[in-house]
Order: sequence, then C-alpha cells, then structure tokens
Amino acid sequence: QKEVEQDPGPLSVPEGAIVSLNCTYSNSAFQYFMWYRQYSRKGPELLMYTYSSGNKEDGRFTAQVDKSSKYISLFIRDSQPSDSATYLCAMRGGRRALTFGSGTRLQVQP
Amino acid sequence: DVKVTQSSRYLVKRTGEKVFLECVQDMDHENMFWYRQDPGLGLRLIYFSYDVKMKEKGDIPEGYSVSREKKERFSLILESASTNQTSMYLCASSPNRGKNTEAFFGQGTRLTVV
Repeated sequence: QKEVEQDPGPLSVPEGAIVSLNCTYSNSAFQYFMWYRQYSRKGPELLMYTYSSGNKEDGRFTAQVDKSSKYISLFIRDSQPSDSATYLCAMRGGRRALTFGSGTRLQVQP
Repeated sequence: DVKVTQSSRYLVKRTGEKVFLECVQDMDHENMFWYRQDPGLGLRLIYFSYDVKMKEKGDIPEGYSVSREKKERFSLILESASTNQTSMYLCASSPNRGKNTEAFFGQGTRLTVV
C-alpha cells in the first residue's frame, strides 16, 4: 500500500466550477502538507502549504487538512482554463524529503 | 527567486552507458533531492543530500548513485543505463530554516534509454 493515495483522474470540469482534489495518507508522522501544481513539461511549483490540521485560503484556493481522518483536500473556486494542470499532494514528517501522491490531472473546459 | 537548474531538458542514451544528470541551485539550500516521475506512480525519491558529501538513499536507489562535492551542485549518476530507467528526472532543493521547508524544483530532464 502506498503511503499517499491520490486519484489520478483525469478530472474534467467546465470553467467556473468548484474543483475538489483529495489525498489520503497512512503515515501518522506527517505534519507538513503541501499542494504542488505541475504544468505539462514543467517542474512542480508550490501552490499551498499547511502545517498540521486546519484550513488555509489563498485567493481562489483553499487547502484543508484533517489529521484525524488522514485526509487532505484542495478546493479551487471559479476554476479557469489556466488551472488545467496536474496537482500533486505532498507531505513530510521527520524525514527532510517529501512524499508525493501520484497526481491528479485537471482539465478546465472553456 | 530561487532557481534550480538542470543541465539538460532531454537526453537519449544507449543501454549500458554511464549517464550524468547535473543540478545546480542558487539559494544556498542545505538539502537537495533527486526524484523520478512516472505515469501513475507520481514522484519517487531516489537520493537526497543534506550537506556537502553527505547523502542518503531514498525509496528507489537501486541502479543510481549521487555526488555532492559543492553545496550548490548535486549530480545523479546512472552507472549502467537500462531501459527501465527511462523517465522524467526532477531535482529539488530546500532550506533547513523554519517550518516551511518547501522544495523548489527544476524543470526536469526527460531521459530516454534505448
């Protein structure tokens, strides 16, 4: 079983929709939770960062962490075609390196 | 802005060749990482380094080695390339300071072994 599970998609939504992306994990030591966005043929770039449980909002993006359920989410409001990318959840505990989900490919249709 | 630069975007190598992938970062980060990315498998950690000349195996180190002679440079070496090492290779760096030790990634090197 993978430490981090993420639905690979693809997820196709119309422009303006609310998008929900999710990951589950099994390692209780994870404390730092991140979402990376990766455009085609580019490296991942950090989108959102959350420490421990709770919500964090940044513009159209909201990250949620529920440590009791070992479940994290990323919500995108008013989705745009420019949001079309692969979204990777990542998390870290004591180890310096991140553990990634497999990524969800999102397509926002104009 | 942090910059992580990988020396090649695309490489084609023959089976059995020794392959060097180079990565340089310009933000004086202590930690550097090599991942490979494959469809359906996400990013998997090959090796990482937390200081010059220090290295630790990641989750899939077999067939790879690394070198970190200077703080800003981290090299991934495929001793004898095989077709199952065809993949996208991503280098990253991160600082030790503070709680938010996000990793910054390079553009990736797409390696094809034929």
